[in-house]
Amino acid sequence: AQSVSQHNHHVILSEAASLELGCNYSYGGTVNLFWYVQYPGQHLQLLLKYFSGDPLVKGIKGFEAEFIKSKFSFNLRKPSVQWSDTAEYFCAVMSSSNTGKLIFGQGTTLQVKP
Amino acid sequence: NAGVTQTPKFRVLKTGQSMTLLCAQDMNHEYMYWYRQDPGMGLRLIHYSVGEGTTAKGEVPDGYNVSRLKKQNFLLGLESAAPSQTSVYFCASSAWTSYEQYFGPGTRLTVT
Repeated sequence: AQSVSQHNHHVILSEAASLELGCNYSYGGTVNLFWYVQYPGQHLQLLLKYFSGDPLVKGIKGFEAEFIKSKFSFNLRKPSVQWSDTAEYFCAVMSSSNTGKLIFGQGTTLQVKP
Repeated sequence: NAGVTQTPKFRVLKTGQSMTLLCAQDMNHEYMYWYRQDPGMGLRLIHYSVGEGTTAKGEVPDGYNVSRLKKQNFLLGLESAAPSQTSVYFCASSAWTSYEQYFGPGTRLTVT
């Protein structure tokens, strides 16, 4: 069965620090990959997605993620975080053979100190 | 456009009671989903639907039923609520062309 693992459960950074959140998945076939963000008191919204092509994808608010197929990873990065990035971040995977079924990781809570 | 809406926003049930959560979307999306969110466990898919009149089981379907009689609505039912079903429930929808899921604001359910 597919699974998604996010290694960091709780990350605390100061403003302007760089961010990298890890995401690994287990599935041998072709996948579509997503990062979602949930700001405090709000519902989930899409940060970025990868379907095919350039493995380095850029999303909203300066976030980017790199798909490394050999490592089954899709890590999220941002060079300089802001206090407003405080949120919970979820990695998610959808297999190309079972479109419509999205499997989420456990989530990473990011706290940015001003 | 309202996007994805969910009713109710909060609910408290006693063990054994039943209830239905309603999800509605106005984006003409084919796919709709129900998730539950629990601390440290991310979002887990309960049931989903790839079109009107169709439903399928997700990761944690036990204790829940769903129906999609109209394209814009997706109902989640709890026939006999249990404390283990205390959670935040999110509905989402997506178009089959993009698979980007749009989420509703959530329903916080407490079962005592």
